[in-house]
Amino acid sequence: GQNIDQPTEMTATEGAIVQINCTYQTSGFNGLFWYQQHAGEAPTFLSYNVLDGLEEKGRFSSFLSRSKGYSYLLLKELQMKDSASYLCAVRDKAAGNKLTFGGGTRVLVKP
Amino acid sequence: DTEVTQTPKHLVMGMTNKKSLKCEQHMGHRAMYWYKQKAKKPPELMFVYSYEKLSINESVPSRFSPECPNSSLLNLHLHALQPEDSALYLCASSQDLTNQETQYFGPGTRLLVL
Repeated sequence: GQNIDQPTEMTATEGAIVQINCTYQTSGFNGLFWYQQHAGEAPTFLSYNVLDGLEEKGRFSSFLSRSKGYSYLLLKELQMKDSASYLCAVRDKAAGNKLTFGGGTRVLVKP
Repeated sequence: DTEVTQTPKHLVMGMTNKKSLKCEQHMGHRAMYWYKQKAKKPPELMFVYSYEKLSINESVPSRFSPECPNSSLLNLHLHALQPEDSALYLCASSQDLTNQETQYFGPGTRLLVL
C-alpha cells in the first residue's frame, strides 16, 4: 500500500508564501502530482515531478526528493483565489500506474 | 484543449432507480478513470479503462457498473444505490497508462441517493 501524508490545513496572508509538504511511501514510485481543488469543483492539474529537483511554473513551484519520499508545493505571492485544497498524488508502477491521493491540505488565504 | 465533460452535473435518485453517469473527452486519450469523492476527502479511484478495456476495478460493489463504448466515452451505470453512495463522481482521462501522463478531471456529477 501507500501512505501519503500532508497537513490538513494551513493559513497564510495575501501576498505571502506558503509551503505545503507531502511525504509518501510507495514501492514503485512513478511520479508525483499536485492538484488544486476549489470547494465543489474538480481537481485541476498544477504540477508533475518524476525526477529530483524543483519545477517552477509562475507563482507555483514543486520540489521532489525521491530518496526522502518528500515533495513540497510552494505558492508565492498568495492571492485570495488561491484559497483551496491542494492534493498531493503519487503514481505507483507496482499498482498499475494508478494515482493515490493524499488527504489534501486546505489553504486559507486571509487579507 | 484539456476538457473532460460530464453529465449530468447533479443527480438525485432513489434506492430503486437505475441511472447512468456519462463522461466524454476528445483529446485522443486512451485511459479513462472513475473516482468517487466524499466531502472534505480526497478522490478515491473506482475504475480504470485502458484502450477501452477494464484495467483496474478497486473492489467496487456491483451496483456500480462501468462501460466504455468507445475511446471517447465512459459511462457509469448505477442501480440499487445506498444513501452512503452520495458523493461527487469524477471522471478523468490521460494519454495512456504509461509513464509521465497527467490525468485531467471533468467537473464531476454530484449524486444524492435518497
